[in-house]
Amino acid sequence: GENVEQHPSTLSVQEGDSAVIKCTYSDSASNYFPWYKQELGKRPQLIIDIRSNVGEKKDQRIAVTLNKTAKHFSLHITETQPEDSAVYFCAAYNTNAGKSTFGDGTTLTVKP
Amino acid sequence: DTAVSQTPKYLVTQMGNDKSIKCEQNLGHDTMYWYKQDSKKFLKIMFSYNNKELIINETVPNRFSPKSPDKAHLNLHINSLELGDSAVYFCASSRQRGGGTDTQYFGPGTRLTVL
Repeated sequence: GENVEQHPSTLSVQEGDSAVIKCTYSDSASNYFPWYKQELGKRPQLIIDIRSNVGEKKDQRIAVTLNKTAKHFSLHITETQPEDSAVYFCAAYNTNAGKSTFGDGTTLTVKP
Repeated sequence: DTAVSQTPKYLVTQMGNDKSIKCEQNLGHDTMYWYKQDSKKFLKIMFSYNNKELIINETVPNRFSPKSPDKAHLNLHINSLELGDSAVYFCASSRQRGGGTDTQYFGPGTRLTVL
């Protein structure tokens, strides 16, 4: 089955700096890669996603890149703000298996 | 107009008791899930139903029994609760299985504490 590894497990940055979270996946059949943000005490919510036929996608201060050959994808947050502090989860979805596998999460802390 | 709702939000109970958590989605999605999030924040899939049919069962103890009376509802019944069952349980839904994307819409979670 699919295995998703996410790094780092914790990340602390100064407000205004950039943050990068990386995930690798094992199953080349995975074809959809969402990122979820979970604020303290709240539910995970989708912030950005990318399909396997796209290499990069941007939405304001967040971007996701995908390298299918190397089987890794990354979340980039620029100009971080304290409200970006949360746990971020990557996931890999395999259409054939009909299942998403989640990474173990990254706790991002943005210091004012 | 809540998309995915769960009840109860908090559940405190004694070891050995039986409890249920209910989930409803009004998004018209075909697929629903139960996830367990432990104290380390790991998000682990437990079950998935597609149009009332169980399609994923991830080596969960058989004390846990999901039920989907229709595609908008997914319940989770837990027998003989143990201390290790303490966690936040999230229900989620997605549009359809095998649809090429699998954006999950999560409920607010049920925090279960077993004493």
